[in-house]
Order: sequence, then structure tokens, then C-alpha cells
Amino acid sequence: GENVEQHPSTLSVQEGDSAVIKCTYSDSASNYFPWYKQELGKRPQLIIDIRSNVGEKKDQRIAVTLNKTAKHFSLHITETQPEDSAVYFCAAASSNTGKLIFGQGTTLQVKP
Amino acid sequence: DSGVTQTPKHLITATGQRVTLRCSPRSGDLSVYWYQQSLDQGLQFLIQYYNGEERAKGNILERFSAQQFPDLHSELNLSSLELGDSALYFCASSAGTVAQPQHFGDGTRLSIL
Repeated sequence: GENVEQHPSTLSVQEGDSAVIKCTYSDSASNYFPWYKQELGKRPQLIIDIRSNVGEKKDQRIAVTLNKTAKHFSLHITETQPEDSAVYFCAAASSNTGKLIFGQGTTLQVKP
Repeated sequence: DSGVTQTPKHLITATGQRVTLRCSPRSGDLSVYWYQQSLDQGLQFLIQYYNGEERAKGNILERFSAQQFPDLHSELNLSSLELGDSALYFCASSAGTVAQPQHFGDGTRLSIL
């Protein structure tokens, strides 16, 4: 069935370092891959997304890469700041429906 | 503010009861999605509606049902509640049905005592 695996489950970095979170999806019909940031007790907030016809997308300190052949996509955060500390979720949506299948989440801690 | 409104913010009730969660999508969005977030299951897709019609279904329990009304607001009904139904229930909306950014509401926290 549809599944998204996300790694690592926790990630601790020093302020200013880069952070990378990786996801693998199983449904080859998936064509839309958003990333959400969720702070404790808050709603998931869309931070960046990528469609299957694009290999990479960048927005300031955040970038996402997609390898359709390997069914991998990754989130890269450069020059991390303490306010980047949160849980990050990757997700995949199939071309047939809009439903999002989420990864298990990565708790990112940025130490000042 | 995402523009998606969910009410109530908190619900506390007992096992066996029934509750209704309400969601108003962002202006102009036709799709509404419901997700359940629990500590051990992460974010799980429940159901999607597009312009009043059911579009996709996830692992939604038979005790749960939903609908989208002509004014596009949606309600999620949970009945015969069990302790394990305690979770955060999020509604999200998007303009279309596929490959569209989904914006989440602030959620309803349901606690079953």
C-alpha cells in the first residue's frame, strides 16, 4: 500500500549548520511532495513543496530535491537557527487524489 | 493564520458519546481534507471532499462519518467514542483536488475520558 518512510526521527544540529531530512515513498503514482513544519501544539505549516516534473526547488534557506527513479525526496535547511526547531513532516500525494500520506516526522533541535 | 477555521478548539467527552467537529475552508477552496494526529500514529488521512462530493477515503473507522455542505464547510462526526479516539483532528483545504497545497486549520483536540 501507500507508505512514506522518513529519516531520521530526531536530528540535533548546532546553529549555523545544515540539516537534511530524507523520505522515501512507495506509490509510483505520487506526483506532489510537500513539507510541513509543526511546532508543539500548533498546526502543520507548509514550508515548501515540489511536483514530480521538477528535480529541485529552493526558497531562501530551504531546498527540496526529488529523485523519482529512486522514489526519494529530501529537505535541506542551511544556516539553521534556533527558531527552526520543530517537527518536520514530509508527505506524498498521488496523482489520482489529493490525499497526503505523511512520513513519521523528524524532530529537529537547533542548539544555539 | 491559514484561513481555515476549525471549531471547537477543545472537546472533552466520555466513551460512548458522539461529537461533531466543524471546518470552514479558506475562501475559494473547494477541497476539504480531514486528518487525525495521535502520538503513536502520526498524521493519518481520514477523508476528502471536493465541492460537496466524497473524493477519497483513508482508513476511516465506520464509527466516523463526514460531509461537505453547499457552503463548502465540512463536519466530521465521531460516534461511539473510545479512549483511542483521543487525538488532534485537523482539517485542511486546497483549491483543487490533486497536487495542490493544503493549508491546515488549528485543529480540534479531542479528549475521551
